[in-house]
Parts: sequence; structure tokens; C-alpha cells
Amino acid sequence: AQSVTQPDIHITVSEGASLELRCNYSYGATPYLFWYVQSPGQGLQLLLKYFSGDTLVQGIKGFEAEFKRSQSSFNLRKPSVHWSDAAEYFCAVEPLTGGGNKLTFGTGTQLKVEL
Amino acid sequence: DVKVTQSSRYLVKRTGEKVFLECVQDMDHENMFWYRQDPGLGLRLIYFSYDVKMKEKGDIPEGYSVSREKKERFSLILESASTNQTSMYLCASIESGHSNQPQHFGDGTRLSIL
Repeated sequence: AQSVTQPDIHITVSEGASLELRCNYSYGATPYLFWYVQSPGQGLQLLLKYFSGDTLVQGIKGFEAEFKRSQSSFNLRKPSVHWSDAAEYFCAVEPLTGGGNKLTFGTGTQLKVEL
Repeated sequence: DVKVTQSSRYLVKRTGEKVFLECVQDMDHENMFWYRQDPGLGLRLIYFSYDVKMKEKGDIPEGYSVSREKKERFSLILESASTNQTSMYLCASIESGHSNQPQHFGDGTRLSIL
């Protein structure tokens, strides 16, 4: 069965520092890959997605992610974190075929930003 | 812009009650989903629907049912609410197939069962 692993449950960074959130997936073929963000009390907002092509994907709010097939990873990065980035971040995968647009989510990483 | 609206942000019900969570989307999407979100577990799929009157079980359907009588509306039903169903519930929708679009989520309903 496909699975998504986000090994870091909590991460704390200082404002202005760089950020990398890890995501690894286990699936027979490369799936579609997503990062979502959830601010307190809100639904999920899409940060970026990878469907094909360039393995470095740019998203909203200055985030980017790099797909590495050899490592089955899709890590999220931001060069300089802002206090407003404090939120929970979810990695998700969707199979290319036969999945009916169903997403499998990781367990999330809670980001805290110290001022 | 796609809008997915969940009728209640917060809901408090009692054990044994029949509970309805409503979700409406305004983009004529075929596919709709109900997820449950719990700390440390991420989002887990309860049920999904590909079209009106069609439904399929997700990963954790026990204790839940769904209804899709109209394309824009997808209801989650707790037949007899129990305390272990206290959780955040999220609805999502997407155009069917792979149109290079992601799922769009509502703001969630935080349900407490007393």
C-alpha cells in the first residue's frame, strides 16, 4: 500500500532562517505530489504540486520543493522563513492512474517560528 | 475561484445522536471527498463520491455513511455518534480526471461528541 512519511512532527526555526521539511513516499510508480499548508482553524491550502517535468517546483508564499526520484522524496524548502509561516504542513500523493484523485497524506509537520 | 463550503465550523453533539455534516461546492466538480483529521495521524479518507448517488468507502468508513443527491452537495452522516468520532472533518472537491488541478478544501468542521 502506498504511504507518505513526514519524519519531523515538530520543527522550530528562527524568523529569517532557512527551512526544509522532509517528505518520503512509498509507491510503485511516481505519483503526483503535493504540499498543503493549514493555518490554525483553517482548511488546507495548496502550496505547490508536481505532476511532471522540472523536478524543482515553485509554489506560493516563496516555497519550493524538489522531487528526487532516486530517493522517493519531495522535500519542501523556503530560504527565509516569516513568522506568518507558522502552520502545519502536509505532504500528499495521488496515483497517476486508477486512483480516482484520491490523496494519501503524511501525518504532518508542525512549524513554529521564533521571533 | 473554487469555493467549498462546510455548513458548520463547530458542532457539539451527544453520544448516540445522528449527525449530519454538510459540504457544498460551487464549481460543478464530479469528485468529492470527506476526510477526518486527528493530531499525529494526518488526514484519513472516510468516503468519496465520483458522481451523484455514487459513493465508495475510503480508509476508515466504519461508523459513517454519506449521501450525494445533488452534484454540488456531499453529506457525511454519523449514524450513532460516539466519543471516538470527536475530530476535525474536512471536505474536498476536484474535477474528475487529471486536469492538473488539486483538490480544493473547505475550512473544516470541528465536531465534539459528548
